[in-house]
Amino acid sequence: GAVVSQHPSWVICKSGTSVKIECRSLDFQATTMFWYRQFPKQSLMLMATSNEGSKATYEQGVEKDKFLINHASLTLSTLTVTSAHPEDSSFYICSACRAGGNNEQFFGPGTRLTVL
Amino acid sequence: GENVEQHPSTLSVQEGDSAVIKCTYSDSASNYFPWYKQELGKRPQLIIDIRSNVGEKKDQRIAVTLNKTAKHFSLHITETQPEDSAVYFCAASKGVTNAGKSTFGDGTTLTVKP
Repeated sequence: GAVVSQHPSWVICKSGTSVKIECRSLDFQATTMFWYRQFPKQSLMLMATSNEGSKATYEQGVEKDKFLINHASLTLSTLTVTSAHPEDSSFYICSACRAGGNNEQFFGPGTRLTVL
Repeated sequence: GENVEQHPSTLSVQEGDSAVIKCTYSDSASNYFPWYKQELGKRPQLIIDIRSNVGEKKDQRIAVTLNKTAKHFSLHITETQPEDSAVYFCAASKGVTNAGKSTFGDGTTLTVKP
């Protein structure tokens, strides 16, 4: 149990386009999901906390209008990178916490975004 | 906010030797400390975790110790194998029944030489 999927696994897009990444908890309900970005050989940097049915909480320095997060159901959160630029190229990883569970986070496989 | 420091950034050991990675945290309210293993291009995998009401936890070749007073915790891997080679991250978070956001260390690249 506790499987989290992400789609797509990789995407290449032109500068200025928007890209949507989906994060799904496949066999459990997740009231909270987290979105991270990870640059090569660096740690996971938390971007935002996504709570089902409410607005996401963004970390300092993360533009909420650029990284749109929607958590419409207990099994799905989406991250949309709007007007992507080459500096947005990164590995985006989501994680999900079980509703009523402890702090353990279950990570998705990540999405490699390359903006040309 | 929470600040987590991790050392060393790289660690190379001979197969069969032990490896120790150390982390310190700043927020005394943090009460959950997981360790993750991440292979290149893949998701982080939880390998062991410890809560603040416990001083030590062991799972086969892997153990974690926590010193709440000093605000540091360590990962110990014994009898290392080449497949242990990966990047290891420590993290700290707070919260009991609600999901608390985690602050990650910068990672340790472990290389186990056969």
